[in-house]
Amino acid sequence: KAGVTQTPRYLIKTRGQQVTLSCSPISGHRSVSWYQQTPGQGLQFLFEYFSETQRNKGNFPGRFSGRQFSNSRSEMNVSTLELGDSALYLCASSPGDRDEQYFGPGTRLTVT
Amino acid sequence: GNSVTQMEGPVTLSEEAFLTINCTYTATGYPSLFWYVQYPGEGLQLLLKATKADDKGSNKGFEATYRKETTSFHLEKGSVQVSDSAVYFCALSSYQTGANNLFFGTGTRLTVIP
Repeated sequence: KAGVTQTPRYLIKTRGQQVTLSCSPISGHRSVSWYQQTPGQGLQFLFEYFSETQRNKGNFPGRFSGRQFSNSRSEMNVSTLELGDSALYLCASSPGDRDEQYFGPGTRLTVT
Repeated sequence: GNSVTQMEGPVTLSEEAFLTINCTYTATGYPSLFWYVQYPGEGLQLLLKATKADDKGSNKGFEATYRKETTSFHLEKGSVQVSDSAVYFCALSSYQTGANNLFFGTGTRLTVIP
């Protein structure tokens, strides 16, 4: 099976802009989670989607949002970018009926 | 609440040395425990998992035992190789409480020298 794919892999944006990241889960997986990885804060959970519904949300401001489509693909959006949003954004998929998660390679976002 | 405390790095070992990376956790309920590995420029790879007390997860020579009495899940390998150089993350899952998200430790960077 193909693994989790994320696009784009690298992105450079300017403060104040918005950005959309995409994630395609492993075939058959219905749960998609997003994480932010930074040197200072480590790995932090953003949100999880299951069957197009947000099932859980981490402690991030409302500028961070996401959605999931009927084919389980997911997007996350960050509006009004700040310098502190520079990070590696990781997507993970799971069958949904158990807890192991499989990660994609990440999208490295740089905000200048 | 849920949290994971992991041994600070970096750890530098010679090839064929014994590896231990300590991990302890605090959790509500009975979480599953994981070790993930991250190679440079890549995402996280699931290394091993354990779902209940006294379970031993193992993969590629690595192993870890779920110790409920000490709330620990230490990672061990008997003989490390240069190719094991990476960052290792201990994590717990809150899936059993109805929310499928992982709580991660801070990561331990391992460097193995020939």
